[in-house]
Amino acid sequence: DTAVSQTPKYLVTQMGNDKSIKCEQNLGHDTMYWYKQDSKKFLKIMFSYNNKELIINETVPNRFSPKSPDKAHLNLHINSLELGDSAVYFCASSLEGTVSSYNSPLHFGNGTRLTVT
Amino acid sequence: DQQVKQNSPSLSVQEGRISILNCDYTNSMFDYFLWYKKYPAEGPTFLISISSIKDKNEDGRFTVFLNKSAKHLSLHIVPSQPGDSAVYFCAAIYRPGWGKLQFGAGTQVVVTP
Repeated sequence: DTAVSQTPKYLVTQMGNDKSIKCEQNLGHDTMYWYKQDSKKFLKIMFSYNNKELIINETVPNRFSPKSPDKAHLNLHINSLELGDSAVYFCASSLEGTVSSYNSPLHFGNGTRLTVT
Repeated sequence: DQQVKQNSPSLSVQEGRISILNCDYTNSMFDYFLWYKKYPAEGPTFLISISSIKDKNEDGRFTVFLNKSAKHLSLHIVPSQPGDSAVYFCAAIYRPGWGKLQFGAGTQVVVTP
């Protein structure tokens, strides 16, 4: 069973378009995240939601808007895509602030490779 | 500002030998450190972690060492196996900011027969 699943796996689109990436977790976690892996391979947090509430919002252009309809889902919508948005986007989830989460704080999805042409 | 650094982008090791991966950090507030392993086209998966109150944590073939005074940690894999070929990410966190992991750039490990 897939724990954290995100769709699509690959996304190729033109500059100026609007696109969405979906993420779902079946682990019963209460916190979900979006991380971005850029061309230099660094993984950097973008957003975090706990029980549908935004708790982490890094310095990300407001063209990026996360939406969490429930605690098992966190979607990422990107408006007016730019070339620099090309990256791999990873969704992740965790149990926020519990002892068990200290042993494995983040479970990642397999990533969405976004290419903007 | 990269607070977690993995200065070796790649490491090649023979099967059966020890793999040693290094990681340095700059933020003395970090109190928990983790290693993640990543295969191509997959997400990172948790491997092993260590709290700042310890200097060693062992789990099977994997051991993580922490030297707080040097702000340095290392991951030892003994013995290395072909299935260990992957990218290994070092990560650190200051737990009041739980979830906001700071990652290094990763080290590509290749285990040769």
